[in-house]
Amino acid sequence: DAKTTQPPSMDCAEGRAANLPCNHSTISGNEYVYWYRQIHSQGPQYIIHGLKNNETNEMASLIITEDRKSSTLILPHATLRDTAVYYCIANAGGTSYGKLTFGQGTILTVHP
Amino acid sequence: KAGVTQTPRYLIKTRGQQVTLSCSPISGHRSVSWYQQTPGQGLQFLFEYFSETQRNKGNFPGRFSGRQFSNSRSEMNVSTLELGDSALYLCASSLPGGGYEQYFGPGTRLTVT
Repeated sequence: DAKTTQPPSMDCAEGRAANLPCNHSTISGNEYVYWYRQIHSQGPQYIIHGLKNNETNEMASLIITEDRKSSTLILPHATLRDTAVYYCIANAGGTSYGKLTFGQGTILTVHP
Repeated sequence: KAGVTQTPRYLIKTRGQQVTLSCSPISGHRSVSWYQQTPGQGLQFLFEYFSETQRNKGNFPGRFSGRQFSNSRSEMNVSTLELGDSALYLCASSLPGGGYEQYFGPGTRLTVT
């Protein structure tokens, strides 16, 4: 899995968009970008993933740069319940046989 | 659809003992992965099972083992427990093919004294 780099912490005001960056400059062509989050004392939760196109679901949007060396997870209207550790992972999908390599992630704190 | 369940949720063991943790995946999910989470090392991959076969293994000593049953339920075993094995043990299930969206259970908190 390619190494990913994320800021250790970020703050966001409730109701505003939270933009979480991730650098994955060594990502290979068959590796997807996955985002998970972990709310305190719970198991990680899948958010979204993408290969090279931007993706959106009910939780978030994922913007991947054209060269695929970085991406941004966007939570459009952050709430206090979005306070969590967010992990960006580069993973080769089905060929990784269940292994996700978690880094240290970004601690997102949403303030009232 | 019921989520991933793990039992027990909390466990206290003594050094030298062994422990077995259980994981029931989401119905229809045949891939089960196990992870260890500690404050110092973060989330680390232990192993993955699919159709009762271990397909991938992380960098852990042989004291850590697992198995998967025909109904996709999985167990992991840690023998000769050490203090450093105190951790949150998480399992995750996914659809066949693995590596895509993984759905995690709440974890088993193991304390070794």
